[in-house]
Amino acid sequence: GAVVSQHPSRVICKSGTSVKIECRSLDFQATTMFWYRQFPKQSLMLMATSNEGSKATYEQGVEKDKFLINHASLTLSTLTVTSAHPEDSSFYICSARQGRAEYEQYFGPGTRLTVT
Amino acid sequence: QQPVQSPQAVILREGEDAVINCSSSKALYSVHWYRQKHGEAPVFLMILLKGGEQKGHEKISASFNEKKQQSSLYLTASQLSYSGTYFCGTPKPRNAGGTSYGKLTFGQGTILTVHP
Repeated sequence: GAVVSQHPSRVICKSGTSVKIECRSLDFQATTMFWYRQFPKQSLMLMATSNEGSKATYEQGVEKDKFLINHASLTLSTLTVTSAHPEDSSFYICSARQGRAEYEQYFGPGTRLTVT
Repeated sequence: QQPVQSPQAVILREGEDAVINCSSSKALYSVHWYRQKHGEAPVFLMILLKGGEQKGHEKISASFNEKKQQSSLYLTASQLSYSGTYFCGTPKPRNAGGTSYGKLTFGQGTILTVHP
C-alpha cells in the first residue's frame, strides 16, 4: 500500500513554455500533498503544501504565480511550472500523507525537468 | 531551520555498523527518517514521535532524545542495499493555531556507501 505516482518521469521543454506534473496517490486518499524540488546532491526543499479543495500554501521565496498547484481531488495534485526558464531545471518530487500531521509522507518517484 | 546531520558521508564494508545523527536547534515534536537512492524518490523508514522512543526495522533502528533535540539512526550488519543518502526530517514549527500540517524540513543528508 501507500503508493504515489508521478507523471511524467522526465520532461524536456523549451524556455518560455509551461509544464504540468501530476501526482497521484494510488491506493489511499491523501489529505495533504507536498511539492519539493531537489538540486543535484542537495536536500529536499519544500515548495508548497496543498490540501484538497483549498488553496496551496507556498514556502517563503517560492513564486506562487510561477508554480501553480491544483489539488483537484483526494488523490490528485498537479504542479504547473509556468514560463519555464533553465534555472527551473530540477528534480521535482511530490509526497502525500493520509491523516494526521504526525503520519509519514510517501513520496512519488519524482519528475526530472530540463528546460532548454 | 534545517536540522544538521552528521557525518556527511560514511563508507562501510558489508557487515559493518554505522550511526547517523540528526540534531536540531529547535524543539522537536517528531523525527522522520528516509533513504534515497540515486535518481529515485526518498523511501520512508520510520517516524519517532515521543522522546525516548526507539524503533527498529530489520537491522535499522533509531532513537529520539527529545531533551537533547536529536535523533540517531543505527544501521547494523550493513548490507549492500543500505547504500544511499539518508535524510532526517523534522516538522516545521507550528503556527499560532498549533498546526504544522506535517511540513517537514530535511537535513542535508548523509551519504552511506557499502562496499562488498
